[in-house]
Amino acid sequence: AQSVTQLDSQVPVFEEAPVELRCNYSSSVSVYLFWYVQYPNQGLQLLLKYLSGSTLVKGINGFEAEFNKSQTSFHLRKPSVHISDTAEYFCAVRNDQTGANNLFFGTGTRLTVIP
Amino acid sequence: DTEVTQTPKHLVMGMTNKKSLKCEQHMGHRAMYWYKQKAKKPPELMFVYSYEKLSINESVPSRFSPECPNSSLLNLHLHALQPEDSALYLCASSQQGDSLGEQYFGPGTRLTVT
Repeated sequence: AQSVTQLDSQVPVFEEAPVELRCNYSSSVSVYLFWYVQYPNQGLQLLLKYLSGSTLVKGINGFEAEFNKSQTSFHLRKPSVHISDTAEYFCAVRNDQTGANNLFFGTGTRLTVIP
Repeated sequence: DTEVTQTPKHLVMGMTNKKSLKCEQHMGHRAMYWYKQKAKKPPELMFVYSYEKLSINESVPSRFSPECPNSSLLNLHLHALQPEDSALYLCASSQQGDSLGEQYFGPGTRLTVT
């Protein structure tokens, strides 16, 4: 079984400051990891994904994440946030052993960028 | 075209009504999903269709009835819903049979049951 933990339910940060949103996962097998963003009253948009290869993954809107197998983490970072980054961020894991494309989502982190 | 469309955007229905939610994609994806999302919660998987066949039903009550008429279309038929079924219903699709697993989400249908 796999699960995803996002320890921070809310993260306030000032505009142009750096931010890190934490994600830890548990799985006994290889996983694929994703970060999705959800703007108010909208669906989910993929920010970035880790499938294999380089552990540093760059995504859209200046976000990046680092896969750390020993710490079972996949934290999301941005060096300088904008007001428009205010949204809900979900970390998700997909188990590549089952053959299914099911995603297991974390509980989400609400990022609020303060002017 | 990397878009998943959902109609309607908003739906208000009474507990005795019958309504349907519609989802469409033209990316050639053969896996399609229905999720339910309550406020301030992550999406919860309801159903998965693979090659137009229902492959996963996450113990969803029978008042929700999914249908996949063809590879591009996914419906969710609603009947005798309860107020606690009010939520954002998200549709998603992905390629089937490969290991990428990326799901593309639609904008959702905001459902209110009165």
